Amino acid sequence: GQQLNQSPQSMFIQEGEDVSMNCTSSSIFNTWLWYKQEPGEGPVLLIALYKAGELTSNGRLTAQFGITRKDSFLNISASIPSDVGIYFCAGRSGANSKLTFGKGITLSVRP
Amino acid sequence: SAVISQKPSRDICQRGTSLTIQCQVDSQVTMMFWYRQQPGQSLTLIATANQGSEATYESGFVIDKFPISRPNLTFSTLTVSNMSPEDSSIYLCSVEESSADTQYFGPGTRLTVL
Repeated sequence: GQQLNQSPQSMFIQEGEDVSMNCTSSSIFNTWLWYKQEPGEGPVLLIALYKAGELTSNGRLTAQFGITRKDSFLNISASIPSDVGIYFCAGRSGANSKLTFGKGITLSVRP
Repeated sequence: SAVISQKPSRDICQRGTSLTIQCQVDSQVTMMFWYRQQPGQSLTLIATANQGSEATYESGFVIDKFPISRPNLTFSTLTVSNMSPEDSSIYLCSVEESSADTQYFGPGTRLTVL
């Protein structure tokens, strides 16, 4: 089946640093979604991408839909302590197909 | 985006009992889904809740264990039947609006089975 690869499993950064997370697949996706999940909460949609090459920002977050349609990345600039959480990528390969989720990256921010 | 609520938010249950989780959306949505998230893991789709018909289950999930209802376009329930400790997970309701190719999640129900 389709798989989305996110690594490393955990990232530790200093407050104020920028961080980049990658999500890759061996197959093509037509939609890429990035979610953040905080402890005790459900995943919250951060950014949705629908077109190859698309670059979309949401505050300090920027995400891009890879040209090959097999990858996407999420950048967080000037990190703050509340950026702590698990970041999941998710992709959809076609209309009416279900979402495939990556395993998530746990981000820790040291004050 | 749709506002999704789930009840209960958490529960501790005894082995062999059943728990029904409710999902309420503040607007009519086309698609509703139920996911399971085991401790430290990613999200696994259990089933698609179809309005007015039987749910569509993913491989590894069966109706007898996870009966689902969806009586209208704003409400669904998931029952976890004959629970065992392996059912301890977060259960998440998700919705998709036909106008946008995105899914939104509820806050989840944290289930612990003793």
